[in-house]
Amino acid sequence: KQEVTQIPAALSVPEGENLVLNCSFTDSAIYNLQWFRQDPGKGLTSLLLIQSSQREQTSGRLNASLDKSSGRSTLYIAASQPGDSATYLCAVQEQRQLTFGSGTQLTVLP
Amino acid sequence: KAGVTQTPRYLIKTRGQQVTLSCSPISGHRSVSWYQQTPGQGLQFLFEYFSETQRNKGNFPGRFSGRQFSNSRSEMNVSTLELGDSALYLCASSLVPDTTEAFFGQGTRLTVV
Repeated sequence: KQEVTQIPAALSVPEGENLVLNCSFTDSAIYNLQWFRQDPGKGLTSLLLIQSSQREQTSGRLNASLDKSSGRSTLYIAASQPGDSATYLCAVQEQRQLTFGSGTQLTVLP
Repeated sequence: KAGVTQTPRYLIKTRGQQVTLSCSPISGHRSVSWYQQTPGQGLQFLFEYFSETQRNKGNFPGRFSGRQFSNSRSEMNVSTLELGDSALYLCASSLVPDTTEAFFGQGTRLTVV
């Protein structure tokens, strides 16, 4: 059974810092990995999708990497801003379902 | 282009009642999945529909059911509500299953009293 772990559970940084969020998964037979952002009481906003054959994806200040063989992904956020404060979730796609980690709650202090 | 639309946004029901939630996917998307989010269990997969057929189901009791219509819109139903069914129910749509990006709606917040 697939298990997805995200470290750290919570992170607080001053504005302007670069930061890395980690995601690990136990079964490497995945189609893709997706990073999401969730604001309190809201739905999920898709940030980046990395197909299993890819190593990296970039969107603006975000860069996500995938090492399928070791079961790891990282989300790099450059020059963090208070508006980046949210919960970040990673999810692996397999057999018509997404399996989610428990998320990293990020607070960027002005 | 409209996103995934879920209705209603909020619901309050009494134990023992039943409830139906609705999800309209992004136009052209044919796969619709449902997830339950609670503080204790996080996000858990309920079921996935494609071409009006349930293709995968998570580990939930039979009180949770769903369907998909020919226009890809989907509904999920929970019968005999329990207090533990209180959660945010999220719907996701994708062009096709597994290989394409999933987009989520804003969710339906269900409170069972």
